[in-house]
Amino acid sequence: DQQVKQNSPSLSVQEGRISILNCDYTNSMFDYFLWYKKYPAEGPTFLISISSIKDKNEDGRFTVFLNKSAKHLSLHIVPSQPGDSAVYFCAASGTSGTYKYIFGTGTRLKVLA
Amino acid sequence: DTAVSQTPKYLVTQMGNDKSIKCEQNLGHDTMYWYKQDSKKFLKIMFSYNNKELIINETVPNRFSPKSPDKAHLNLHINSLELGDSAVYFCASSLRQLGINTGELFFGEGSRLTVL
Repeated sequence: DQQVKQNSPSLSVQEGRISILNCDYTNSMFDYFLWYKKYPAEGPTFLISISSIKDKNEDGRFTVFLNKSAKHLSLHIVPSQPGDSAVYFCAASGTSGTYKYIFGTGTRLKVLA
Repeated sequence: DTAVSQTPKYLVTQMGNDKSIKCEQNLGHDTMYWYKQDSKKFLKIMFSYNNKELIINETVPNRFSPKSPDKAHLNLHINSLELGDSAVYFCASSLRQLGINTGELFFGEGSRLTVL
């Protein structure tokens, strides 16, 4: 029972264009969402987060959009750079109780120079 | 000055052996986690400790035993290793004051366990 899903295992984008990574979740108790970036042989590193009280959060080239009614979030990277090539994981959590961080299966982004 | 550090980074061992992976965080966080990334690259939570108390215990074989001597350390001991235990194990920490998740997870670099 996968509560957080990233249906695209991979994505290729030209340098300078927009990368859009998608994530869907099923549990309406989730109210805090995060995106992580992972390079080979390294641990995931935090990129950006969004609380369910917002529908958009921006940090430089990275913007996360949350559509609560659709239980969908997306990460936009613009402009995409070759250094952005990595695996991106979305994660979801509830902010109260003993709720755990549940991760999606990841999307491998390749930015072509 | 690594925030979340795990040792060893690589571990190759025979089936049936017992091994441990250690984790330490210097971020002042009160909650630590072990995640397993299997061959399908899926990051699955195994355990979580908050202030040395076990708060999350997923359906993990009891050959896996976490130990948290203090808030800054969470070790993972695995008995009678099996081929299927081969994976990358990630330690992580976060701040959960008053039972509320207040921030993101910080991950270690991972420990790649290979069971032959």
